Amino acid sequence: GAVVSQHPSWVICKSGTSVKIECRSLDFQATTMFWYRQFPKQSLMLMATSNEGSKATYEQGVEKDKFLINHASLTLSTLTVTSAHPEDSSFYICSARSRFSGELFFGEGSRLTVL
Amino acid sequence: SQQGEEDPQALSIQEGENATMNCSYKTSINNLQWYRQNSGRGLVHLILIRSNEREKHSGRLRVTLDTSKKSSSLLITASRAADTASYFCASGTSYGKLTFGQGTILTVHP
Repeated sequence: GAVVSQHPSWVICKSGTSVKIECRSLDFQATTMFWYRQFPKQSLMLMATSNEGSKATYEQGVEKDKFLINHASLTLSTLTVTSAHPEDSSFYICSARSRFSGELFFGEGSRLTVL
Repeated sequence: SQQGEEDPQALSIQEGENATMNCSYKTSINNLQWYRQNSGRGLVHLILIRSNEREKHSGRLRVTLDTSKKSSSLLITASRAADTASYFCASGTSYGKLTFGQGTILTVHP
C-alpha cells in the first residue's frame, strides 16, 4: 500500500530552537497534506491543511508564524516549529491525500520533546 | 470544540467478548472513519463508511452509521488481547479533512 514517511520520528531540542518535520509520500503524489497534533492521552487535533504550491490553511487557534508549513512539491510537506517551547512538546502526525485516488494515508508521527 | 465525542472513554473486557464503541459528530459528513492507535504509535486505518451507507463489515469489525443522529458505532467481535489500543472515529469531508473524536481506550484482558 501507499506509504507516508515522517522524519524525524522523534526529536529532542532545547527551548528557543526551531525544529523541522518532514512528511513525504513515497509512492504517490499528494496534492493535499494535513498536519495534526496529539498531546498525551488526547485525540488528534487538525493544525493546518497544506496544498501543493499554495499557502497552508490554519485551524483556529493555531499560530501560523509559529508553525510554518511548506508544501513545495507533490510529495513533500514540511512543518517547522519555530522558537519551540516545552508546551509545544507533542506528537505531530501528517496525512497525505492521493492525487489520483483521493485516499488518505497517515505517517507514523513525529514525537517532539522540548526541554 | 469541533471534535466529536466518543463513549465510553475507556472499556475493559475479557478476551472473547465483544466491544462496542460509539461516536457522535457535529457537522455533515462525506464519510466516517475508524482508526486504531497503539500507545505512542501512528494510526492504523480500520474502516471507512460513506454517508450514504448504513452498515459495513470488515473481518471482526462492524460499523454502523446513522446520519440523522450524527452517530456511528464500532463493534469488535470475539476480541483478542492484541486488540488493546485506543480507537478513534473521524468524520471526513470530501477533500480529506478529518475531525477526530476523543477516543476510546480499549483493554482486552487475556
